Amino acid sequence: GENVEQHPSTLSVQEGDSAVIKCTYSDSASNYFPWYKQELGKRPQLIIDIRSNVGEKKDQRIAVTLNKTAKHFSLHITETQPEDSAVYFCAAGGQGGSEKLVFGKGTKLTVNP
Amino acid sequence: KAGVTQTPRYLIKTRGQQVTLSCSPISGHRSVSWYQQTPGQGLQFLFEYFSETQRNKGNFPGRFSGRQFSNSRSEMNVSTLELGDSALYLCASSLAGSGDSPLHFGNGTRLTVT
Repeated sequence: GENVEQHPSTLSVQEGDSAVIKCTYSDSASNYFPWYKQELGKRPQLIIDIRSNVGEKKDQRIAVTLNKTAKHFSLHITETQPEDSAVYFCAAGGQGGSEKLVFGKGTKLTVNP
Repeated sequence: KAGVTQTPRYLIKTRGQQVTLSCSPISGHRSVSWYQQTPGQGLQFLFEYFSETQRNKGNFPGRFSGRQFSNSRSEMNVSTLELGDSALYLCASSLAGSGDSPLHFGNGTRLTVT
C-alpha cells in the first residue's frame, strides 16, 4: 500500500527564516498532495495542495513543489512567524478517485521570536 | 457556512463497551471520511463514504464500522472497545468526492478507553 515518509520530525527556526519540510511517497498512482497544519488541540487545516499535473504552487509565504519522477514533494515557508508554529502533515492520495489520504507522521515546527 | 461538526467532543468508555460517533459534513458535501489520530501512529484512514456507499476502507479490524445517511451525515461505530482504541477520531468532508477535493476536518471526538 501507499506509504508517505516525512522529514524532519522536528524543525526549529528563527523568526524570519525559511522552513522546508520534505515528503516522499511510494504509490505512483497518487495524484493529489495536500499539506495540513495542526495547532495544539485543534483540527488539521488545509494550507495548500498540489495536483500531479502541476510542478509548483505558491500562496503568499507558502509554496509546494512536486517531483513526480522522484515521488517527492516539499513545503516551503518563507519569512516564518511565531504563529507558524504547529505540526505540519503532508499527505498523498487521489488514487482511483478515492478521497483516501495517506499522511506522513508530521513535522513539529517551532518558530522562535 | 458551518464547518464539519462532530459529536460528542469527548467520550470515556470502558473496555468491552461499544461507541457511536457522529459527523455532520459541510452543507453540500457528499463525501465523508474518517481518520484515527494517535501520537504513535499519526493520522490513519478508517473509511470513506460517498452517496451512502462505502468506497474505501482502511486497515482496521471489523470492530470498526460506519455508515452514511441520505443527508450525508455519517456515523462510525466501534464495538468491543480495547485500550488501544483510545484516540482522536476525525471526520472530514469534501465537496466532489473526486479524489482531489480538499478535505475539511471537524474538531474530532476524543475517545478514552479505560
